[in-house]
Amino acid sequence: EPEVTQTPSHQVTQMGQEVILRCVPISNHLYFYWYRQILGQKVEFLVSFYNNEISEKSEIFDDQFSVERPDGSNFTLKIRSTKLEDSAMYFCASSEAPPSSYNEQFFGPGTRLTVL
Amino acid sequence: KNQVEQSPQSLIILEGKNCTLQCNYTVSPFSNLRWYKQDTGRGPVSLTIMTFSENTKSNGRYTATLDADTKQSSLHITASQLSDSASYICVALFSGGYNKLIFGAGTRLAVHP
Repeated sequence: EPEVTQTPSHQVTQMGQEVILRCVPISNHLYFYWYRQILGQKVEFLVSFYNNEISEKSEIFDDQFSVERPDGSNFTLKIRSTKLEDSAMYFCASSEAPPSSYNEQFFGPGTRLTVL
Repeated sequence: KNQVEQSPQSLIILEGKNCTLQCNYTVSPFSNLRWYKQDTGRGPVSLTIMTFSENTKSNGRYTATLDADTKQSSLHITASQLSDSASYICVALFSGGYNKLIFGAGTRLAVHP
């Protein structure tokens, strides 16, 4: 069964460093998403991406964040200068159709980011 | 404010028993409501998706209900198994100009032998 994969599973970084979180969405999906979940808190939407551009972004997704689909398979989230409060689990998701439809979003296993 | 509230926060039941989890949402405009299962340290996995015109949806031992008038949903788990131990998250799709999933905090279910 196809699945969303994410690497690395755990990333530890120093405050102020840049990190890139990688995701491989399900191959025939066209819509891609990043979410984060701070320990013990709700999952929060960060950004959605379609046709090589950002469709929607939340207020959390500020200038420190960027997303890219550098090739036909990878979808990346970059944090330019990490802060302590960026420590969280980051989930990538993908779907065949836009979220307004009945279609499922399939989530990856997550990358746990720890900023020291 | 667009929010999803769930109760109880946590629940312990014995294997084989049934349970019902509750969800209230204030998301408007609202397109559909989803229940996800999230194992510790893993991504959410979809259980059900219901539009505002659907009242009930089943997926094996999971049955979700939706009352769009009162903005309430429930997830009923029948004949619980140890593997049902997880967080169950209610998620509403906000569809006002842009589309965004709004997550509840989840109910943490522990099934004991």
